[in-house]
Amino acid sequence: NAGVMQNPRHLVRRRGQEARLRCSPMKGHSHVYWYRQLPEEGLKFMVYLQKENIIDESGMPKERFSAEFPKEGPSILRIQQVVRGDSAAYFCASSPTGLAGEDEQFFGPGTRLTVL
Amino acid sequence: QQQVKQSPQSLIVQKGGISIINCAYENTAFDYFPWYQQFPGKGPALLIAIRPDVSEKKEGRFTISFNKSAKQFSLHIMDSQPGDSATYFCAASMNGGSQGNLIFGKGTKLSVKP
Repeated sequence: NAGVMQNPRHLVRRRGQEARLRCSPMKGHSHVYWYRQLPEEGLKFMVYLQKENIIDESGMPKERFSAEFPKEGPSILRIQQVVRGDSAAYFCASSPTGLAGEDEQFFGPGTRLTVL
Repeated sequence: QQQVKQSPQSLIVQKGGISIINCAYENTAFDYFPWYQQFPGKGPALLIAIRPDVSEKKEGRFTISFNKSAKQFSLHIMDSQPGDSATYFCAASMNGGSQGNLIFGKGTKLSVKP
């Protein structure tokens, strides 16, 4: 059973460009979370999605950032008109159905975004 | 407002020693407390987790101690090894770990000297 997959692993963008980060959850997992990690900092929650639904986007900036988890295909985190402050590692995590005892969030390897 | 405070920021331990990392939280609605281990360039991996109905959980060399009244929990690594050198994050969540976001501490960078 493959783990959480993220691509690309490294992404370089110039200011004003768009960044698209992809996350494929573990097989059978229907919950996806996106976190951002700045250098020497902990992870900060951005958004929580289930298939075709955004459950909680309280950690996501109101402008330029959007996320989706379509019925088919990976979850996408989209950052429009990137700025240097968007440079960070973006991690995706997935978890199973939410039944009692199945609490673990499994993290992917991350996408390291650098904005020039 | 930082809801989970972690200390120390960095820790150096001799091989075979005990590593202790502490976390304190504010929100009494938290009901799930995991510890994650992260190596450079990798994603965090769950090490051990606890719920507030128990005061201690042990898995191999790793133990979580939980003090509900003090709103504190700690990670103890017994017989620390150089391979344990990594950054450790405590976290907390309000709806278990699978239906809500995790709130992370800022991390502790552990170095185990041979």
